[in-house]
Amino acid sequence: EIVLTQSPGTLSLSPGERATLSCRASQSVGANYLAWYQQKPGQAPRLLIYNASSRATGIPDRFSGSGSGTDFTLTISRLEPEDFAVYYCQQYGSSPRTFGQGTQVEIK
Amino acid sequence: QVQLVQSGAEVKKPGASVKVSCTASGYIFSNYGISWVRQAPGQGLEWMGWISVYNGNTLHAQKFQGRVTMTTDTSTSTAYMELRSLRSDDTAVYYCARVWFGEIYDYWGQGTLVTVSS
Repeated sequence: EIVLTQSPGTLSLSPGERATLSCRASQSVGANYLAWYQQKPGQAPRLLIYNASSRATGIPDRFSGSGSGTDFTLTISRLEPEDFAVYYCQQYGSSPRTFGQGTQVEIK
Repeated sequence: QVQLVQSGAEVKKPGASVKVSCTASGYIFSNYGISWVRQAPGQGLEWMGWISVYNGNTLHAQKFQGRVTMTTDTSTSTAYMELRSLRSDDTAVYYCARVWFGEIYDYWGQGTLVTVSS
């Protein structure tokens, strides 16, 4: 099973700042099959990024994904008020599919 | 528009079973798979398994083997997830999600809270 470790656990930033979230895999993620999801309290997750760097439909271009192999990054170039949420990475290159434990982006 | 609408909250006693439904609309149901993901209170996301609506093939996380059954009814565009022998640590919100391109979850249900308590 691929274990995904996200860091930091919590990121305290102000609107307008840049957010950099990390997701490290215990072994290489096949075909860079890695996605990022955003979850707000009381809501279902929302797909942001798939295949490590492709933005999902309707996702603003301030969200970008990068990385390969075992190290992946989600960057939010300028935080908007609606971006404060929990972010999860997920690999779907091997079974079982696994999620990271999440990074909370909170308002400083 | 694509929608996945799940059944309502459930309260079950330890040892009982629960069956959660997920009714899809706005797309051709048999063209996509459905996965189930759960989230315990205050915790992260946990993948439970996947079902191909096209042929009924399933793939489950090892920890749920023997306790979970995933099925679909194409006549009503509904997917079901049944979990048996419930324990208190099965208390969670259960989500269904449409599977696109491998196993990317592009649409999610609203979630169903299952509470297991004596």
